[in-house]
Amino acid sequence: DVKVTQSSRYLVKRTGEKVFLECVQDMDHENMFWYRQDPGLGLRLIYFSYDVKMKEKGDIPEGYSVSREKKERFSLILESASTNQTSMYLCASSLGQGNQPQHFGDGTRLSIL
Amino acid sequence: DQQVKQNSPSLSVQEGRISILNCDYTNSMFDYFLWYKKYPAEGPTFLISISSIKDKNEDGRFTVFLNKSAKHLSLHIVPSQPGDSAVYFCAAAGSARQLTFGSGTQLTVLP
Repeated sequence: DVKVTQSSRYLVKRTGEKVFLECVQDMDHENMFWYRQDPGLGLRLIYFSYDVKMKEKGDIPEGYSVSREKKERFSLILESASTNQTSMYLCASSLGQGNQPQHFGDGTRLSIL
Repeated sequence: DQQVKQNSPSLSVQEGRISILNCDYTNSMFDYFLWYKKYPAEGPTFLISISSIKDKNEDGRFTVFLNKSAKHLSLHIVPSQPGDSAVYFCAAAGSARQLTFGSGTQLTVLP
């Protein structure tokens, strides 16, 4: 089974802090993704990566950056946290090209005070 | 501009009956469609998918139907069980490996 692990289940940070969310997958997947989930809005794509050191903007990249130094690890960075970034953050990975499902971690519930 | 829409935020069904969850899309470039189930405090779990070359795919109690001309897909769960109570998301993909998700439907199966 694919295992996608997010480093924290719950996180509380202050406005203006730099926040790091970590994600690790153990199935040698090429593709990794960061989403946020908000009520009534579904999952919205923040950033994704198809290879090491490669990144692409998703639908809502403003206020975020990412890092992929190793194939198995994909980090989401909130440069200067704001209250509107309070959300559930979900990491996913998938295999190669073509039609493959994405597999998700259990999410990080982030609160910015 | 929502390219994938789930117009029913919630659905209640009696145990043992059929649950039908619906999803509409607008982008004719989408050619791969998926359904995910999500319990509270967990990540979405992949349920079933369908390629645009097919109009039906079945896996146990779950069947997905695709109507390309109407840009509509549906998930049928038969028979529904209380453990099926969850939020269901449909998602769609085109030539890129990205998924576009709907807003979700909360299914409640009543015992």
